[in-house]
Amino acid sequence: ETGVTQSPTHLIKTRGQQVTLRCSSQSGHNTVSWYQQALGQGPQFIFQYYREEENGRGNFPPRFSGLQFPNYSSELNVNALELDDSALYLCASSLAGSHTGELFFGEGSRLTVL
Amino acid sequence: AQSVSQHNHHVILSEAASLELGCNYSYGGTVNLFWYVQYPGQHLQLLLKYFSGDPLVKGIKGFEAEFIKSKFSFNLRKPSVQWSDTAEYFCAVGTGGGADGLTFGKGTHLIIQP
Repeated sequence: ETGVTQSPTHLIKTRGQQVTLRCSSQSGHNTVSWYQQALGQGPQFIFQYYREEENGRGNFPPRFSGLQFPNYSSELNVNALELDDSALYLCASSLAGSHTGELFFGEGSRLTVL
Repeated sequence: AQSVSQHNHHVILSEAASLELGCNYSYGGTVNLFWYVQYPGQHLQLLLKYFSGDPLVKGIKGFEAEFIKSKFSFNLRKPSVQWSDTAEYFCAVGTGGGADGLTFGKGTHLIIQP
């Protein structure tokens, strides 16, 4: 167990809807990053949050947004869902300053868009 | 932008066989290199990492990897695999200050036959 918990574990949405995924980071970790893992692919970096601000972003459109709260938990929001958004969404926590170090992953939220 | 290439998407070995999984990356600057493993039904976890120093790094469960800078490679090895090594293996590269996230390869699905 990593101590990183994600919810919900599975959900189904339809095109055009909005979704919010949640993540509680491991105790003591102040940085949260989100990854999208499509079927048969490796995880792809969406963005990273530190001190409640986005401090890094991958090649994802603005309809992917996030929040980090004072307790370091985080949300990933996706607006105007598209079929290609169907994927496993992974949250990973880490400790700033050991940015070259280990990411601790949750088990993911599997999103299906119909 | 960096990219990571894993040569084999599916590998099937018998127990006690030797393992080598290839990983090449494209990035001209300083990199941090990782191998992550995902056992069936479990979350992604770190197997080993390279930041600097000795290019031969040892990880958990008898795995090791060698960083060859001239070849942009970071191949994973294990002299004798076990049935419990059946899993998905991901090579990943990190650059800069870490806020750019990790770039993962597509993964290698390893099946060990008893």
